[in-house]
Amino acid sequence: GENVEQHPSTLSVQEGDSAVIKCTYSDSASNYFPWYKQELGKRPQLIIDIRSNVGEKKDQRIAVTLNKTAKHFSLHITETQPEDSAVYFCAAKVAAGNKLTFGGGTRVLVKP
Amino acid sequence: GAVVSQHPSRVICKSGTSVKIECRSLDFQATTMFWYRQFPKKSLMLMATSNEGSKATYEQGVEKDKFLINHASLTLSTLTVTSAHPEDSSFYICSARDGIAGGYEQYFGPGTRLTVT
Repeated sequence: GENVEQHPSTLSVQEGDSAVIKCTYSDSASNYFPWYKQELGKRPQLIIDIRSNVGEKKDQRIAVTLNKTAKHFSLHITETQPEDSAVYFCAAKVAAGNKLTFGGGTRVLVKP
Repeated sequence: GAVVSQHPSRVICKSGTSVKIECRSLDFQATTMFWYRQFPKKSLMLMATSNEGSKATYEQGVEKDKFLINHASLTLSTLTVTSAHPEDSSFYICSARDGIAGGYEQYFGPGTRLTVT
């Protein structure tokens, strides 16, 4: 089945700097890659997603890039703010099904 | 739009009893719902996929007789933890996919924290 690896597990950045989280997936048939933000004790919130027919997608300070050949995708957060502090999860969905396989998560701390 | 509710938010039960958790899509029809389990500081682990009107599909290692899933309508799925034990204590989260809209997005409920004493 699909396997998703996420790095780093923790990331500390200074406010205003950029943060980058990387994920790799194993199943070349995967076609949908969402990113979720989860604050402590709360539900995961979808922040951005990308489909396999697109290489990059941007939404204000957040961007996701996808390299299908290398089977990896990344989340980029620019001009980080303290409210960006949370755990971020990447996920991948294989084309044949509906379920998502999640990465292990990255705990991001933005220091003011 | 795309709001998912979950009830209860917290539950404490005694070992050996059963607990039912409800997951509702409030403003869309969820043909597919998913149940996850999340341990502290860990990722989301898919337990089962629930399709409206049919039997749930369980992930490997998840006991279907212990974690009963029912998806009787397009807006409601329930997870019943039967004969709960302390090791079942966890954060249970559901998500739902809008089958009518046809997108891939999953929208998560707020989760249920189960503590078995």
